[in-house]
Amino acid sequence: QKEVEQNSGPLSVPEGAIASLNCTYSDRGSQSFFWYRQYSGKSPELIMSIYSNGDKEDGRFTAQLNKASQYVSLLIRDSQPSDSATYLCAVIGQGGSEKLVFGKGTKLTVNP
Amino acid sequence: GAVVSQHPSRVICKSGTSVKIECRSLDFQATTMFWYRQFPKQSLMLMATSNEGSKATYEQGVEKDKFLINHASLTLSTLTVTSAHPEDSSFYICSARDRDRGLSPLHFGNGTRLTVT
Repeated sequence: QKEVEQNSGPLSVPEGAIASLNCTYSDRGSQSFFWYRQYSGKSPELIMSIYSNGDKEDGRFTAQLNKASQYVSLLIRDSQPSDSATYLCAVIGQGGSEKLVFGKGTKLTVNP
Repeated sequence: GAVVSQHPSRVICKSGTSVKIECRSLDFQATTMFWYRQFPKQSLMLMATSNEGSKATYEQGVEKDKFLINHASLTLSTLTVTSAHPEDSSFYICSARDRDRGLSPLHFGNGTRLTVT
């Protein structure tokens, strides 16, 4: 059973701080990794995708991937109240499957 | 780009009736679409993979005779919840991947909130 694990939180940070979200996955052959943001009652929206080891930055967001440790993270710099949402880590495994496996999500609250 | 349109956004139906949900990729072609279900405060659970021109692949525990999936074209997949019961009340979300972009991220529709009374 391929699994994606996240700390469910809630994670609470003050406005302007760095929020750090973590995710581990069980399928060592996984190749594609994604972070989605989901507001309450809405569908997920893609924040970041990362495919190779290292860091990938996009604006205030940085995704970090370490395949040896089977670990992927998302950093949100200068957190804003509008960043308050549930963040979902998602992974595509190996073997040609197109299925995206989601973690249970981490609820982030940014306090003004 | 990469817009997925899902309709209806909300539906309320009586127990025993059937409900059809449509999922369309508006500006790309999708050989494969995915249907997810999300119960309150839980993560997305994949129900089935919809393949254009062939039968859908259902995840373990999902009744294929209850959740009918049709993927008749490269831009449209439908999910029909047959003989709906209150326990089928949930948030149903479709997603699709641009067939010309390999294992690119999934793009999600806005979801359908189904309430069965």
